[in-house]
Amino acid sequence: LAKTTQPISMDSYEGQEVNITCSHNNIATNDYITWYQQFPSQGPRFIIQGYKTKVTNEVASLFIPADRKSSTLSLPRVSLSDTAVYYCLVGASYGGATNKLIFGTGTLLAVQP
Amino acid sequence: ETGVTQTPRHLVMGMTNKKSLKCEQHLGHNAMYWYKQSAKKPLELMFVYSLEERVENNSVPSRFSPECPNSSHLFLHLHTLQPEDSALYLCASSHLTGGGNSPLHFGNGTRLTVT
Repeated sequence: LAKTTQPISMDSYEGQEVNITCSHNNIATNDYITWYQQFPSQGPRFIIQGYKTKVTNEVASLFIPADRKSSTLSLPRVSLSDTAVYYCLVGASYGGATNKLIFGTGTLLAVQP
Repeated sequence: ETGVTQTPRHLVMGMTNKKSLKCEQHLGHNAMYWYKQSAKKPLELMFVYSLEERVENNSVPSRFSPECPNSSHLFLHLHTLQPEDSALYLCASSHLTGGGNSPLHFGNGTRLTVT
């Protein structure tokens, strides 16, 4: 099973860069790494996805080392509105096995003024 | 607007009631999912539909009955629920790809309270 491990919570201040690391030691060859953001009483929202090396979009960067056993979501210059739970999901959107759609406990990021 | 619409947003029902949750996606996806999110717990995958056929059922009690009449609509029929079934029920959709890199798109959920 491609189980993921993330810190339960993190604190930051506005304007800082935040890096959230996810461990996924049993990642399979065909697995992708996807990060989601969830606000209270809303569904998770896709942030970024990658397979290896580095991926960047308008809201975040994703760093994946060569062994792919971990990944780091980087949020540049966070604001109060970035306070949310961030989930790392490893696998396929549907690969014929339920373990590929299993969310972990996520990381609660609290951004303070 | 997420492209996945869930109704109702809030639902309060008694243990003997029958109700249904509705999900509709306008993204052209061909896989749909039901997740349950209880307070302070991770999202739990309940059901997966691929091309309108149920392909996963993670030991969900029979008081939850899904229905997928077409690739754009998904229902969750509820009957004789228990108070511990109170939770946020989330619907998601995605493309089916062999490589499996299609992200899930979630609706904003139905907050269910069973009294």
